[in-house]
Amino acid sequence: DIVMTQTPLSSPVTLGQPASISCRSSQSLVHSDGNTYLSWLQQRPGQPPRLLIYKISNRFSGVPDRFSGSGAGTDFTLKISRVEAEDVGVYYCMQATQFPPIFGQGTKLEIK
Amino acid sequence: QVQLVQSGAEVKKPGSSVKVSCKASGGTFSSYAISWVRQAPGQGLEWMGGIIPIFGTANYAQKFQGRVTITADESTSTAYMELSSLRSEDTAVYYCARGPAAAGGNPLYYFDYWGQGTLVTVSS
Repeated sequence: DIVMTQTPLSSPVTLGQPASISCRSSQSLVHSDGNTYLSWLQQRPGQPPRLLIYKISNRFSGVPDRFSGSGAGTDFTLKISRVEAEDVGVYYCMQATQFPPIFGQGTKLEIK
Repeated sequence: QVQLVQSGAEVKKPGSSVKVSCKASGGTFSSYAISWVRQAPGQGLEWMGGIIPIFGTANYAQKFQGRVTITADESTSTAYMELSSLRSEDTAVYYCARGPAAAGGNPLYYFDYWGQGTLVTVSS
């Protein structure tokens, strides 16, 4: 199975400041159909996960534009331009290019 | 608006089975994949398996092969996950998640809507 490695595992951020989470896969996530099935999910405390970004950089419906995704091949990044209090939670990257889908171990975003 | 509503919490004895349901509304049920993802207390997310109702064939993670059965009832827009031979390590919140997928269910693309989760506690 592909291994997904996120860094950092914990990220204390000041409100209004940017945050960045990295996700690295053990193999290229480019599918034979040309797409890269790398997505980002947010899980607020006590809530189910919520899709933020799919196929590297596409924001899902209703996701604020302060969230952005980038990357290619094996290295991907989620950026929050200005952290708000409601962004507290755990962020997961997930690959679905190769079977089975695999999640990163999660990055906990907290406010300083 | 797509909604996935799961059945309620369960407490089970080791060695028994549990069946969790996930009823979809507000969207097209049959042509999207429904996956089951679990989260042990304080841990991360783990994909267990998935099904595209219109095709009816489920795919499972190797770890759960032989112990999990995922089915879907198109007439009620409900998916089910049954896990057998329960042990204490199966104590977790079980989520269903919907998403677009290739015709054979691989790749699954991404998970756009999630159920609220069902806590399954395995304890003697």
